[in-house]
Amino acid sequence: QVDLVESGGGVVQPGRSLRLSCAAAGFTFTDYALHWVRQAPGKGLQWVALISYDGSVQYYADSVKGRFTISRDNSRNTVDLQMSSLRGEDTAVYYCARDTLTGSYSAVFDHWGQGTLVTVSS
Amino acid sequence: DIQMTQSPSSLSASVGDRVTITCRASQYIRRYLNWYQQKPGKAPNLLISGVSSLQSGVPSRFSGSGSGTDFTLTITSLQPEDFATYYCQQSYSTPPFTFGGGTKVEIK
Repeated sequence: QVDLVESGGGVVQPGRSLRLSCAAAGFTFTDYALHWVRQAPGKGLQWVALISYDGSVQYYADSVKGRFTISRDNSRNTVDLQMSSLRGEDTAVYYCARDTLTGSYSAVFDHWGQGTLVTVSS
Repeated sequence: DIQMTQSPSSLSASVGDRVTITCRASQYIRRYLNWYQQKPGKAPNLLISGVSSLQSGVPSRFSGSGSGTDFTLTITSLQPEDFATYYCQQSYSTPPFTFGGGTKVEIK
């Protein structure tokens, strides 16, 4: 079965950096685009970033553009989110999510990890 | 960016009730509308994609309709396991892929 496991969350001071990782299993990793979606405590869902199946295309939400970088390692079946210049408003549970479409992206998320909590606080 | 507006933001219903949640897009999104269910402390779960395509394993009491800018999620005969928060999401064109604010379905 498809399995996505996020790691790397924790408490970080404003202005500092943190790297999240998502380990994937149970499907042909190189066929699918992957996304990060976040949810601030008690709030709704916000799409954060997308990386294409081959890593050649990345998109970001305006709120993180220039501060966050999504990358993938197709030899290790992992997707990372490097977060820098963190702000209080970045505090959220960060989910890794698989796209439904192979070979491209649909921005429909059919499998999700359990999430990892990032708290930005001094 | 395309804004997604859900209504109501919360509702109370009883087991066996019919529940309708609406979602409006700020611009035309054709049929690129998806619905997710989220239970407390859990990741969202895809229920419906492309307005009305039920995901495998989702009960047939869930259905979706609409096109263009106005969409509806209907749950016929609400079951105890359906009490959750529901989100619509648009996947039209280029990013960002925005979600609605959510509708919390609570037990009356």
